[in-house]
Amino acid sequence: AQTVTQSQPEMSVQEAETVTLSCTYDTSESDYYLFWYKQPPSRQMILVIRQEAYKQQNATENRFSVNFQKAAKSFSLKISDSQLGDAAMYFCAYRSLGSTPLVFGKGTRLSVIA
Amino acid sequence: DTGVSQDPRHKITKRGQNVTFRCDPISEHNRLYWYRQTLGQGPEFLTYFQNEAQLEKSRLLSDRFSAERPKGSFSTLEIQRTEQGDSAMYLCASSPLDGTGDQANYGYTFGSGTRLTVV
Repeated sequence: AQTVTQSQPEMSVQEAETVTLSCTYDTSESDYYLFWYKQPPSRQMILVIRQEAYKQQNATENRFSVNFQKAAKSFSLKISDSQLGDAAMYFCAYRSLGSTPLVFGKGTRLSVIA
Repeated sequence: DTGVSQDPRHKITKRGQNVTFRCDPISEHNRLYWYRQTLGQGPEFLTYFQNEAQLEKSRLLSDRFSAERPKGSFSTLEIQRTEQGDSAMYLCASSPLDGTGDQANYGYTFGSGTRLTVV
């Protein structure tokens, strides 16, 4: 079974600075999808960014980008120019082809310091 | 369509009582998922539907849990004889199918969840 590990339970960043959240996963599959979700306090989870494993190019969405290292099974999230609204729980998730359920990590709580 | 709706937002129940939660997915989404999230943990998969068919159930879904999606639209999750260990946030999500019949290209759209407290 696939597993997702987020080794940083908590992180903090100064406003306008850059922070990187780590995620590693374990799989024997060659094709799959990876996601980062954001869950603000008492609010619903929203998709931040996704990556297809067959693409070598790292995904980017505005201030959010990933560093996808397939061989190392690593999928980190970089948040540039951090804003107060970025404060939230961030979850890394894995999905294999042909298998529907997302598998989530335990999350990283990000605090943004003004 | 304003997204995935869940009702109620909060539920407090006494141990041994039955509870039922409702989820209304995005109308054009074929697939609907139920997850459970406990404090400090990521969401854990419970079950999912494609239209009205329940296609997969996690081993976490004991026989006290039952889910339905009778007309392929909204879904209900019932917990019978609740236990304190059932206290958690129950999340519903939906996703579309792409032209190939898979939804691998899409992430989920989540609802705000139902927080269950069993006392």
